[in-house]
This record gives sequence, C-alpha cells and structure tokens, in this order.
Amino acid sequence: GEDVEQSLFLSVREGDSSVINCTYTDSSSTYLYWYKQEPGAGLQLLTYIFSNMDMKQDQRLTVLLNKKDKHLSLRIADTQTGDSAIYFCAVRTGGYQKVTFGIGTKLQVIP
Amino acid sequence: EAQVTQNPRYLITVTGKKLTVTCSQNMNHEYMSWYRQDPGLGLRQIYYSMNVEVTDKGDVPEGYKVSRKEKRNFPLILESPSPNQTSLYFCATGGVSNQPQHFGDGTRLSIL
Repeated sequence: GEDVEQSLFLSVREGDSSVINCTYTDSSSTYLYWYKQEPGAGLQLLTYIFSNMDMKQDQRLTVLLNKKDKHLSLRIADTQTGDSAIYFCAVRTGGYQKVTFGIGTKLQVIP
Repeated sequence: EAQVTQNPRYLITVTGKKLTVTCSQNMNHEYMSWYRQDPGLGLRQIYYSMNVEVTDKGDVPEGYKVSRKEKRNFPLILESPSPNQTSLYFCATGGVSNQPQHFGDGTRLSIL
C-alpha cells in the first residue's frame, strides 16, 4: 500500500520561511493534500494539488510536487506564530478513495 | 455554515460494551470517512463511504463497523471494544472531487 513519510519536527523563527517535506511511494497517486491541525482541534484542509501539476500557490502557501522523486513540499512564507501546528501530508491513490496520511510534522515558530 | 458533528466528544468505557460514535454533516457530501489518530502513527483510515449504502474498508477496519443509510450520517460502531481501540477518532466529509475536506472536532475514546 501507499506509504507517506514526513519529518517529525521543524523549528523556524517568526518571519522566516518554513518548508515541510513529504515523500510517498505510489506513483499512481492522484491528489496530494496538506492539512493543519491545531491543538485539540480537527484537521483543516490547507491546500491540495493534482498530480499533473508541479506547483500551486495560495497566498503565503506554495506547494511543490516532484512526481519523478515522489516528493511534495509545503512552503509557508513569512511564518507567523499562528502557524505553529502539526502539518499532515496526505495522498489519494488513483482509482481508489483511500487517503493515506503521513505522521505529521510539528512546526514550532519562535518569536 | 459547513459542519461535521461528532458525538460523543469524549467517552470512557469498558472492554466489550458496544458503542457507537455518530457523525453528521450538513453539506450534502457524498464522501464520508472515519480515521483514527494515534501518537507516532498519524491518521489511519478505518472506513469510507462514497454514497448511501456504499462503504469500503480503509487501512485499519478490524474491530469496526459502519453504515450509511442516509447521506448525512455515517456512524462508527465498535461491537466489542478492546483497549487497543483507545484513540482519537475523526470523521471527515468530501467536497469537490470527494476530497476529505471537512473534519469533525474528534472523539476521544478510552477503552478500559
């Protein structure tokens, strides 16, 4: 089955850019997602990219997809303390509705 | 306002006592799904449903049942709960292209 991997922790200074990385294994993946989870809350869909795209930008968020290397990244420009949360990468495999999540990257923003 | 409502939010119960966690959505979405979240394991999909009377197993379906008799509701049933089902559970619904887009606030189950 699909395997999605993320690093566990990232620490950045307020105002810097954050880059959270994710790798996956199934080349037939169709949609790739980024979610944000704040303490005690459910997941919030931040953005998603279809597998035939290389990049998607939405305000401070930039998603890059390298399909050859099966690598997805989320860049947050001008990171704020309110961006401190756990960020999950998730992948939907083509032809199925199963969505596989990574274990989440905890982003700590230092004032 | 788009809402996914889970009940209960917290439950402590004992091994073997059947329980149901309800999930209700007001967005008329066809896709609904259940996940469990465990430390170090992230979210794992239990079951999903593409429409009324259409359900399918996710990655960790053992010990769980679901039903989808109407579009708005997707209950998760633990017929005989065991301690290894102690976890944080999330229900999600899909919007455009059936994305798991809207999540409930979670149900924390403790099985003693």
